[in-house]
Amino acid sequence: DAKTTQPPSMDCAEGRAANLPCNHSTISGNEYVYWYRQIHSQGPQYIIHGLKNNETNEMASLIITEDRKSSTLILPHATLRDTAVYYCIVSGLYAGNNRKLIWGLGTSLAVNP
Amino acid sequence: DADVTQTPRNRITKTGKRIMLECSQTKGHDRMYWYRQDPGLGLRLIYYSFDVKDINKGEISDGYSVSRQAQAKFSLSLESAIPNQTALYFCATSDTDRREQYFGPGTRLTVT
Repeated sequence: DAKTTQPPSMDCAEGRAANLPCNHSTISGNEYVYWYRQIHSQGPQYIIHGLKNNETNEMASLIITEDRKSSTLILPHATLRDTAVYYCIVSGLYAGNNRKLIWGLGTSLAVNP
Repeated sequence: DADVTQTPRNRITKTGKRIMLECSQTKGHDRMYWYRQDPGLGLRLIYYSFDVKDINKGEISDGYSVSRQAQAKFSLSLESAIPNQTALYFCATSDTDRREQYFGPGTRLTVT
């Protein structure tokens, strides 16, 4: 199962874009990249996921490099409520074709006023 | 009302006691999961269930058991609690055909 590497912490000014990097150099062709976040000790919240193409939703954008060895989560206009731990996760496999999430330690993002 | 609920939210128990953590969901999802989170270790999968008759061990199932009483209910039991099971426990659900997981608010368990 592929593992991910993220910086332990980052800062961002309120209103600016937050760009959170993730390395997953051992990702295999059928593994997805997921992003979740966890505010304080609440349950993690799904943000976005992708396989090869860049993805965008109402929360964020996901940019995946062509070789798929790294990705960047972009929060276009960070607010104080975006302060959280952000997890980049590569989906592995359960038995058969079902997928499981392999959690790393995440990046603690602090959005500053 | 929350889609995924967990009870209790906080629990302090003594070594050797049996304890059950309960999870209920109203999302109509087939798949349910139990994770534990320890400081510095991220989330680790304990057990998962893809339907009522399908239960599977995760990466750290020793010392735990589960019961899937219905599609909406998935319980985690610690038969004889020990201090290193002190952690934050999360239940999650997902739809069979989708990939994102929805998490409950967590149960903070302390074993003394």
